[in-house]
Amino acid sequence: DTAVSQTPKYLVTQMGNDKSIKCEQNLGHDTMYWYKQDSKKFLKIMFSYNNKELIINETVPNRFSPKSPDKAHLNLHINSLELGDSAVYFCASSHGSGGSTDTQYFGPGTRLTVL
Amino acid sequence: QQPVQSPQAVILREGEDAVINCSSSKALYSVHWYRQKHGEAPVFLMILLKGGEQKGHDKISASFNEKKQQSSLYLTASQLSYSGTYFCGTDYTGNQFYFGTGTSLTVIP
Repeated sequence: DTAVSQTPKYLVTQMGNDKSIKCEQNLGHDTMYWYKQDSKKFLKIMFSYNNKELIINETVPNRFSPKSPDKAHLNLHINSLELGDSAVYFCASSHGSGGSTDTQYFGPGTRLTVL
Repeated sequence: QQPVQSPQAVILREGEDAVINCSSSKALYSVHWYRQKHGEAPVFLMILLKGGEQKGHDKISASFNEKKQQSSLYLTASQLSYSGTYFCGTDYTGNQFYFGTGTSLTVIP
């Protein structure tokens, strides 16, 4: 059983399109995250979310929006895609409330290419 | 706010040792270490919660110097399987996690 899964694994799309990436975790964790990893391998947090609050990294454009239908899912919706959005997007989850003691478990990543 | 790691990249021969440093301009409440192999997701290695704490398993260990706001990861007698990018990470505010700049480690035969 995959602990944290993401779909799709690869996503190729045109500038200006809207797309979504789905994430599911079967670990019973309370907190989920979205990270963006660029071509230089920098891992940057975009959002963390638990059933109490959404923490948004202030540098994330509002074209990106997380949507959580339930505790086990955190999807990422992106409007009006731009070339600079091309990256690998990782979903992760952790047991606690996202604090400093939480171990994060990562999904396999979604490679987004914007043409 | 991102912790800075050094070196950016290192190449080792099997059996050699390496040290990866993680430095922060702000107080660190904890330090996490992750390894990411090429084309894969980051995988948790260990977490250090207190200043002065040292941890390790197999031949990979880490220390946390709270006063200096830094942590170091030690890889002893490196193996080919150690190759990958190593990230430290920390949570400055209690609710948002930041990964370090990353260190690419390549072990060659």
